[in-house]
Amino acid sequence: KAGVTQTPRYLIKTRGQQVTLSCSPISGHRSVSWYQQTPGQGLQFLFEYFSETQRNKGNFPGRFSGRQFSNSRSEMNVSTLELGDSALYLCASSDGDTTTDTQYFGPGTRLTVL
Amino acid sequence: AQTVTQSQPEMSVQEAETVTLSCTYDTSENNYYLFWYKQPPSRQMILVIRQEAYKQQNATENRFSVNFQKAAKSFSLKISDSQLGDTAMYFCALRRINNDMRFGAGTRLTVKP
Repeated sequence: KAGVTQTPRYLIKTRGQQVTLSCSPISGHRSVSWYQQTPGQGLQFLFEYFSETQRNKGNFPGRFSGRQFSNSRSEMNVSTLELGDSALYLCASSDGDTTTDTQYFGPGTRLTVL
Repeated sequence: AQTVTQSQPEMSVQEAETVTLSCTYDTSENNYYLFWYKQPPSRQMILVIRQEAYKQQNATENRFSVNFQKAAKSFSLKISDSQLGDTAMYFCALRRINNDMRFGAGTRLTVKP
């Protein structure tokens, strides 16, 4: 099976712009989670979607939003970008309908905000 | 609260030797899952090993094994016969039922030839 894919791999934006990141889970996986990874804050959970519904949400401002489509693909949107949003954004998928299933990660999208 | 602590920011080991990475966690739940993930310089996060809290037997995966001490809330990773390809950041993670995954700050492991 193909792994989790994320597009684009690299992105450069300026402050105030918005950005959309995409994640395609492993075939058959119905849960997708998003994480922000920075050197200062480490790995922080953004949100999790299961069968098109947001199941869990981390402590991020409303500028961060996401959605999941019927084919389980997920998008994450960040509006009004700030310098502090520069990070590696990781997507992970899992196969079960319990939230303790093992997550498999994609390669990430490196977002740089200038 | 659900927290994960990795007290060793950096470690190094000689090739073919054994190294143990420490992880402690805090949760009031009785049933949860613990994970070790590896993130090589290429950035792809890879699952190393997983442990169900209700299982007393320590998980093993080839050269990787854990020492799970539930009462002490400790979950250390032992890497035997270290290889150059083991060089990576290692993250310990905790996931409670119906909750998000919490990661530790990571341990940077360098395997020296």
